[in-house]
Amino acid sequence: GDSVTQMEGPVTLSEEAFLTINCTYTATGYPSLFWYVQYPGEGLQLLLKATKADDKGSNKGFEATYRKETTSFHLEKGSVQVSDSAVYFCAPRRRNSGGSNYKLTFGKGTLLTVNP
Amino acid sequence: EAQVTQNPRYLITVTGKKLTVTCSQNMNHEYMSWYRQDPGLGLRQIYYSMNVEVTDKGDVPEGYKVSRKEKRNFPLILESPSPNQTSLYFCASSPADRRLEQYFGPGTRLTVT
Repeated sequence: GDSVTQMEGPVTLSEEAFLTINCTYTATGYPSLFWYVQYPGEGLQLLLKATKADDKGSNKGFEATYRKETTSFHLEKGSVQVSDSAVYFCAPRRRNSGGSNYKLTFGKGTLLTVNP
Repeated sequence: EAQVTQNPRYLITVTGKKLTVTCSQNMNHEYMSWYRQDPGLGLRQIYYSMNVEVTDKGDVPEGYKVSRKEKRNFPLILESPSPNQTSLYFCASSPADRRLEQYFGPGTRLTVT
């Protein structure tokens, strides 16, 4: 069945460091792909998305490219800030068990801590 | 301000005592969903609703009930809570044409003793 494997954390970086959080998935066809972010004490927010192969989603300096050859959607940022400290979730689209509908499959989340 | 609200934010209760967690959204979204978040397991969907009076089971529906009598509200009901339902619960909503672009509430931390 559909699944997502996300880089385990925690990840600790210094401010202005380069960030990569790996995400690979298994799915039927070429699903839409999403990254959500959860800041401390808050609910999740959509960070970026890509709806087809080779699409690049971007937001707030974060980027992720939909790579169908490697079934990956790695999250990157060139220079992280303390305010980026959060939990990041990779979430491919999948069909529900009846096959009639789409929903999100969330990875386990990667905790990022950025130190000044 | 567009938002999803949940109440209560924190709840400690005892096994078997029925409880309801409310969820309300002011964005006129058709789709609403409940998730639970547990360490090492990520988010798992409990129930979802495509629109008023249309609800369906998610991945972990056992021990939960929902209703969708109004478009804005989607309460989660635990008829007889058990300790394994201790978790962080999130409600989410989204428009029908962008169902996977979900807006999440702030969460409800539930402890069942």
